[in-house]
Amino acid sequence: GAVVSQHPSRVICKSGTSVKIECRSLDFQATTMFWYRQFPKKSLMLMATSNEGSKATYEQGVEKDKFLINHASLTLSTLTVTSAHPEDSSFYICSASGLAGGKGYEQYFGPGTRLTVT
Amino acid sequence: DAKTTQPNSMESNEEEPVHLPCNHSTISGTDYIHWYRQLPSQGPEYVIHGLTSNVNNRMASLAIAEDRKSSTLILHRATLRDAAVYYCIPSQGGSEKLVFGKGTKLTVNP
Repeated sequence: GAVVSQHPSRVICKSGTSVKIECRSLDFQATTMFWYRQFPKKSLMLMATSNEGSKATYEQGVEKDKFLINHASLTLSTLTVTSAHPEDSSFYICSASGLAGGKGYEQYFGPGTRLTVT
Repeated sequence: DAKTTQPNSMESNEEEPVHLPCNHSTISGTDYIHWYRQLPSQGPEYVIHGLTSNVNNRMASLAIAEDRKSSTLILHRATLRDAAVYYCIPSQGGSEKLVFGKGTKLTVNP
């Protein structure tokens, strides 16, 4: 299957600073990428849908000015957590969408980035 | 959006088959049924998807009820590496978005 990478895998930052997380599709071009957040023992929550060359679409309740998403190329999307606070500590996961035959889409997920804000 | 109901947890023994059920009674006629799984501290992994007919791949089989209101993911011989949370996710009106529910946590006993 297709490979999606994330960098960094873990990051610790101080409260008030910004952190950038990269998501790359390594062997295919992804016109659409998705960003999720997952708190301990909870399910994944979709934060936003990112389309190459256009503004991201954020889910209800997700602050677009706090979670900046850039999808500048078909293989790279970035999520920047601005002015991070301890409550932003979470597991951030990206995925890239590819056709899986017919009209069904298959999403390929990255390994996740563990963010800890102190 | 179609809602799903899955058992919170299930247990299986190694080498035995596992049937993971999912109810999606509000699914629309054109929504695919996707299954993903997530191992601890990893991103989810695609397992299988289908529309109406039963589907097989190297990982699993998907049995879809004739009325499409439920489906069952079948792992033919569970291994310890199959221990994960399994998510049944109907597509959302043709959208690529995946809305994750709580899933079923599968424990495989040696």
